[in-house]
Amino acid sequence: QKEVEQNSGPLSVPEGAIASLNCTYSDRGSQSFFWYRQYSGKSPELIMFIYSNGDKEDGRFTAQLNKASQYVSLLIRDSQPSDSATYLCAVRSTDSWGKLQFGAGTQVVVTP
Amino acid sequence: SAVISQKPSRDICQRGTSLTIQCQVDSQVTMMFWYRQQPGQSLTLIATANQGSEATYESGFVIDKFPISRPNLTFSTLTVSNMSPEDSSIYLCSAGQGSDSNQPQHFGDGTRLSIL
Repeated sequence: QKEVEQNSGPLSVPEGAIASLNCTYSDRGSQSFFWYRQYSGKSPELIMFIYSNGDKEDGRFTAQLNKASQYVSLLIRDSQPSDSATYLCAVRSTDSWGKLQFGAGTQVVVTP
Repeated sequence: SAVISQKPSRDICQRGTSLTIQCQVDSQVTMMFWYRQQPGQSLTLIATANQGSEATYESGFVIDKFPISRPNLTFSTLTVSNMSPEDSSIYLCSAGQGSDSNQPQHFGDGTRLSIL
């Protein structure tokens, strides 16, 4: 069973601080990794994707990938109350069709 | 990125009935995906819908319960058949961009389904 693991949280982060979210995956052949943000009652929204080892930055978000360790992370700098949401890590399957396998999600709560 | 529209956005249904959910993409895409998100849970893939062929179902999901149509490259439907309270969930449609299976997937707004 291919798995994607995340800490469920909640992760409480003071406003202005860095939120660090972690995700590990079991399929060593996986090549594509995605972070989605899901507000309560809403559908998931893609915020970052990363395919290569190293860091990828987009605004206040940085995704980090280490394929050797089967580990992908998301950093949120200067956290704002509007960042309070559940963050879902998704890994593209090495099976056909490009389907995604999702982690359980990490709830982030940014406190003023 | 593809814009994905789903309808209905929500419904309340009686047990034993069926509901068809529609998903429309604003551009042609090769593959569309249907997910279920039960209360407080993450997303579980129900099936992958490829135009011109039968849908591919994940373990635990069967065509008789969740028939899927994919008549063209911009549209798909998911039917939830013979509904029971356990089918109360959010049902989500997603698609990538064009024919590149490596493109990120985007989601519709979801259909919130409650079964009485």
